[in-house]
Amino acid sequence: GAGVSQSPSNKVTEKGKDVELRCDPISGHTALYWYRQSLGQGLEFLIYFQGNSAPDKSGLPSDRFSAERTGGSVSTLTIQRTQQEDSAVYLCASSSGQGTMNTEAFFGQGTRLTVV
Amino acid sequence: GNSVTQMEGPVTLSEEAFLTINCTYTATGYPSLFWYVQYPGEGLQLLLKATKADDKGSNKGFEATYRKETTSFHLEKGSVQVSDSAVYFCALRGPGGYNKLIFGAGTRLAVHP
Repeated sequence: GAGVSQSPSNKVTEKGKDVELRCDPISGHTALYWYRQSLGQGLEFLIYFQGNSAPDKSGLPSDRFSAERTGGSVSTLTIQRTQQEDSAVYLCASSSGQGTMNTEAFFGQGTRLTVV
Repeated sequence: GNSVTQMEGPVTLSEEAFLTINCTYTATGYPSLFWYVQYPGEGLQLLLKATKADDKGSNKGFEATYRKETTSFHLEKGSVQVSDSAVYFCALRGPGGYNKLIFGAGTRLAVHP
């Protein structure tokens, strides 16, 4: 597709359940980011994939959170044993140009996660 | 590590007022600097960017100048409109850390007629 695609757009889950959020980046983009945006808050960095390098996982809030990126393209963010404080909008972004910092990041519409 | 600090909101202005949203950064070397905007109900999108010192990014009447000496990238607009109401995020990318994109906390702007 032309842009970053995220699915599902909305997810309601019960506390304690696991969820998977998917991101399809723009074709050919080597960098992929996951951020979390809680209501009225800024963007909290979660994880960053850049090409074949080891991902920067420094923003993952706990070991219940994990992410993978298969074949350098699609990424899945998994939250295990969800808690109510995990409720937020999860944003994915991708950008081109491995080794350069000039290119912009393109964002998906996000997945709104509600834990009840 | 690299970081971005921007002024807290909300910022409330009347239409046609002058806007400044302050942004300062901490980084090793010379990063690229960005302003992103999030309109109500929409995704984040790039507003403008500057990739080296003294560069001025501009778009839709907004401007920001990359000031190395003050490590700042303040966003300005001479005459705001109601349609500019949104959340504005300052961000930097690189160098180091494999050019990770780092955001400030965001500033909500509300423009009233």
